[in-house]
Amino acid sequence: NAGVTQTPKFRILKIGQSMTLQCTQDMNHNYMYWYRQDPGMGLKLIYYSVGAGITDKGEVPNGYNVSRSTTEDFPLRLELAAPSQTSVYFCASRPWTGMAVTEAFFGQGTRLTVV
Amino acid sequence: DQQVKQNSPSLSVQEGRISILNCDYTNSMFDYFLWYKKYPAEGPTFLISISSIKDKNEDGRFTVFLNKSAKHLSLHIVPSQPGDSAVYFCAASARSEGAQKLVFGQGTRLTINP
Repeated sequence: NAGVTQTPKFRILKIGQSMTLQCTQDMNHNYMYWYRQDPGMGLKLIYYSVGAGITDKGEVPNGYNVSRSTTEDFPLRLELAAPSQTSVYFCASRPWTGMAVTEAFFGQGTRLTVV
Repeated sequence: DQQVKQNSPSLSVQEGRISILNCDYTNSMFDYFLWYKKYPAEGPTFLISISSIKDKNEDGRFTVFLNKSAKHLSLHIVPSQPGDSAVYFCAASARSEGAQKLVFGQGTRLTINP
């Protein structure tokens, strides 16, 4: 059971380039999330999805896009990379259990540097 | 607007003593709270949680206390061990919002000294 897998682990982008951060989970979880962690700033929610075909914005969605065509995959797209997007990105998933709150499982992160 | 706040960026505790990490929240709709632990170069891992219908939850060396009137929770680790050195995040969720989102605090870096 791999859990939540993120690729790549590290990436350096030039300003204006685009890339896709991949995230896949094998736990059949409905909910998936993308967070970014800036130094001393905690985890900020970028986008989330409650199921295939459904996505919604979090706190800091500008400059990013997502899609959720399958339960397993939730890629995050950066179209025009900017230095402000230098951060560590975490993907997470949670099972849906009605109104009960459950823990989220995180991937190991992608460290992105935009120069 | 920071809805979940951890006002201590760092905390240093001697091995064997109690570590107390604090978290405050502003959104009165939050009714479920979680603590996560994060080591360098790894993703956060779940530690312990508490529902708003309780004021205390224990799991081994870890205890979380919730004071709803003060909108405050704390994580107690006793006795503290060197392996507890990590960054700890507090997170909150609201079932009235479909329990869909977890809002995180800034984190507290805990260092356990031998």
